[in-house]
Amino acid sequence: AQSVTQLGSHVSVSEGALVLLRCNYSSSVPPYLFWYVQYPNQGLQLLLKYTTGATLVKGINGFEAEFKKSETSFHLTKPSAHMSDAAEYFCAVSGQGGSEKLVFGKGTKLTVNP
Amino acid sequence: GAGVSQSPSNKVTEKGKDVELRCDPISGHTALYWYRQRLGQGLEFLIYFQGNSAPDKSGLPSDRFSAERTGESVSTLTIQRTQQEDSAVYLCASTRSTGEKLFFGSGTQLSVL
Repeated sequence: AQSVTQLGSHVSVSEGALVLLRCNYSSSVPPYLFWYVQYPNQGLQLLLKYTTGATLVKGINGFEAEFKKSETSFHLTKPSAHMSDAAEYFCAVSGQGGSEKLVFGKGTKLTVNP
Repeated sequence: GAGVSQSPSNKVTEKGKDVELRCDPISGHTALYWYRQRLGQGLEFLIYFQGNSAPDKSGLPSDRFSAERTGESVSTLTIQRTQQEDSAVYLCASTRSTGEKLFFGSGTQLSVL
C-alpha cells in the first residue's frame, strides 16, 4: 500500500526566494513519484515524475525534485519563486507494478508575496 | 477523443436522490481513476480500474458509492441516497499505465441540497 504526507498545508514565500515543498511517501514496493500542480480554477497538470534512473528530475517551469530512498522523500524545489507559481501542489505515489493505484497527498498551497 | 470527458459538468440534487456521473477516458488508456475533491481539500482516491483486473474499491467511502467500467471505455460512478457531505468535485483520470502521466477530466461539481 502507498501513502503520501505533505508537510505544511500552506507555504508562503517572497518573490525570488527559494521554494521548498516537502513530500514523504510510504510504499511497500519501489515507487513511482509525481508532483502535480493545480492553478486557481484549473485542472491538475503534471509538473514532473520519477520512475527509474536519475534521482534528480527536472520538470516544467523551473521546478525539480530529488528522490531520496533513504529518507523516503521527494521534495519539490525551485530556486527563485515567481508570482505565477502561486497554486496548489500535490505529491503522489504509486507502486512500480501494473496494478498499483496512484495516491495523492493532501496538497500544499503556495502563496508568493511581492 | 482528445481528452478525458466527464458529464455532467454540474449536478444539483436533493438529499436522498441517486446520481450517476459519467467518464469517457482517452482511447487506449487501460487505467481509470475516480477521485473526490472537496472544497479546499486534496484529492481523495475513490476507485481504480486497471484493464481486466478486479477494480481497487478501497477508497469508496460507503456502500452508497459504486462504480462500473465497460471494458477499457466508459465508466460510471453512482451515488445512492445522496447526502450533503457528498458535495464535492468528482474527478476522473486515465492513463496508459502505472508510471505514466494522468490525464484528468474537468470534473463534475456535485451539490447536494
